Amino acid sequence: DTGVSQDPRHKITKRGQNVTFRCDPISEHNRLYWYRQTLGQGPEFLTYFQNEAQLEKSRLLSDRFSAERPKGSFSTLEIQRTEQGDSAMYLCASSSPGRVGTEAFFGQGTRLTVV
Amino acid sequence: AQSVSQHNHHVILSEAASLELGCNYSYGGTVNLFWYVQYPGQHLQLLLKYFSGDPLVKGIKGFEAEFIKSKFSFNLRKPSVQWSDTAEYFCAVSLGTGGFKTIFGAGTRLFVKA
Repeated sequence: DTGVSQDPRHKITKRGQNVTFRCDPISEHNRLYWYRQTLGQGPEFLTYFQNEAQLEKSRLLSDRFSAERPKGSFSTLEIQRTEQGDSAMYLCASSSPGRVGTEAFFGQGTRLTVV
Repeated sequence: AQSVSQHNHHVILSEAASLELGCNYSYGGTVNLFWYVQYPGQHLQLLLKYFSGDPLVKGIKGFEAEFIKSKFSFNLRKPSVQWSDTAEYFCAVSLGTGGFKTIFGAGTRLFVKA
């Protein structure tokens, strides 16, 4: 499978616990994005990497959220001290180098439920 | 702040009916425009995109969209829908210069009755 891969697909956690999600982009893609999607809404941008550099972060990304892409390949998104409001689908996408606006390819997402 | 507005949250059509989903965005500069589709249980997939050139863009599965710059619109159309078009459709915009983030509309759920 050469698409964007996310792990796990589902995560249920107790409020206050930390969780970490992983994203493996399409191999030749140097750009990687994290989005969050709640019921009835479109994906909301969280952060963006070009290679290993995190170039942009949304104000939605509070200090409890951190994302890394240490070697410019896979990325992790960690949420510390989870809250019920963090329950959502977390989407990862990647795009190839090239002209601005090259379309993003999305993974299946990680559905987080905080109880 | 940039935003994308989709006019209809839910649309129900019978097979063979024509479809038009509205999308407006707020940004005065150069934009790249997309329509993504999410079939039940599947990930987001690109339907079509506009970067420059002919404002009438043709995508997969018979879909097309027209970019009207003066109206800040990028409406999606299909002359005759099929039951298999049942899905959620998202309009999205990325800015033509600078950042690469894509801003999505809230989505339109389309249900096509067989």
